[in-house]
Amino acid sequence: KNEVEQSPQNLTAQEGEFITINCSYSVGISALHWLQQHPGGGIVSLFMLSSGKKKHGRLIATINIQEKHSSLHITASHPRDSAVYICAVSFIYGGATNKLIFGTGTLLAVQP
Amino acid sequence: DSGVTQTPKHLITATGQRVTLRCSPRSGDLSVYWYQQSLDQGLQFLIQYYNGEERAKGNILERFSAQQFPDLHSELNLSSLELGDSALYFCASSVMTGNNEQFFGPGTRLTVL
Repeated sequence: KNEVEQSPQNLTAQEGEFITINCSYSVGISALHWLQQHPGGGIVSLFMLSSGKKKHGRLIATINIQEKHSSLHITASHPRDSAVYICAVSFIYGGATNKLIFGTGTLLAVQP
Repeated sequence: DSGVTQTPKHLITATGQRVTLRCSPRSGDLSVYWYQQSLDQGLQFLIQYYNGEERAKGNILERFSAQQFPDLHSELNLSSLELGDSALYFCASSVMTGNNEQFFGPGTRLTVL
């Protein structure tokens, strides 16, 4: 069983729709990261959160530590939001390192 | 632009060869991470350096090695290359180690023929 599970794996939406991507993890973590990877390959960090909720523009990320679950929401989706969204978790151990363990990603296509 | 640079952008080489990938972290970042992204394994953590010292190792093969230099740039050396080493290699940096946001470079796409 993967330590980080994302759903759905693929998502197609119409422009303007509200989108939710879910991430569940099976171990205790120090933080959860949402990343965006565009077709060109580059990875952008969207959020790092360890509790509660964060908002940046049309993106909202929430985390429930007790349930080991996080969601990434996109409001008023736009074709430029089309990308792979990756959930990753980080741990602190043995000298406070910060390696990431990644989910398999959600491929989002927003159609005009 | 994350401020993290990686060279080269693309690299095509043959099996059995050795290559060096280079990463320059964001100004002020002390920690460098290397990740491999392949079609079958997804993104995997390889190794972390903090202020010149190795801090953590992940799924890094013995044929691979890395180092971080006094100016904080890092190099990932891949030797005795195999077809299965073809992948995107990302470098990321963060200010410290511990709970910090990581900023990713554009990646180096390695193709082994």
